[in-house]
Amino acid sequence: DTAVSQTPKYLVTQMGNDKSIKCEQNLGHDTMYWYKQDSKKFLKIMFSYNNKELIINETVPNRFSPKSPDKAHLNLHINSLELGDSAVYFCASRPQTGTNSPLHFGNGTRLTVT
Amino acid sequence: TQLLEQSPQFLSIQEGENLTVYCNSSSVFSSLQWYRQEPGEGPVLLVTVVTGGEVKKLKRLTFQFGDARKDSSLHITAAQPGDTGLYLCAGVRSNYQLIWGAGTKLIIKP
Repeated sequence: DTAVSQTPKYLVTQMGNDKSIKCEQNLGHDTMYWYKQDSKKFLKIMFSYNNKELIINETVPNRFSPKSPDKAHLNLHINSLELGDSAVYFCASRPQTGTNSPLHFGNGTRLTVT
Repeated sequence: TQLLEQSPQFLSIQEGENLTVYCNSSSVFSSLQWYRQEPGEGPVLLVTVVTGGEVKKLKRLTFQFGDARKDSSLHITAAQPGDTGLYLCAGVRSNYQLIWGAGTKLIIKP
């Protein structure tokens, strides 16, 4: 099936640990994103990559480091996890960055930091 | 910071009732997108409105883009339990970045 898939679905870890979330899209899209959705359901953009190049880097702690090995993959590594990092993280893709085209989202990774 | 205010934040109504969700901004958007998100899933696009004054219908859902392209509304007629979900609007800026509303959590009771 064509889709945006991210793993894991759930991630429970302790403060101070380092964890990664992986994302892959087989839609042939050029642009990929990481969003954070907080407990109030607000979607906040974190990063955007276009053809493996970083184009948006919002005010995000440098403990968060995205990596795009190719245009179909955008992974998110988080160092020294904190309680406030608990949220649902969504990967998304879009055909091109300079269009009105919609985003296609993965089903999210629920991160719980204890 | 460019904001897109969405209201109401929460709405719980009986099956069969009508409702309207609003997204308002002081800024002009090149287009506006509406998404629905169900628990445990990512947002899924419902519709994109592009032209000022444009009205689009998706079965019982009617979407309207304001004449000045600063606001939009989603009207649901005869709501059904299957309409339950989180509705999100996203304004597309002239540089094609998306500005998200805070979402409307809609519950339709049978």
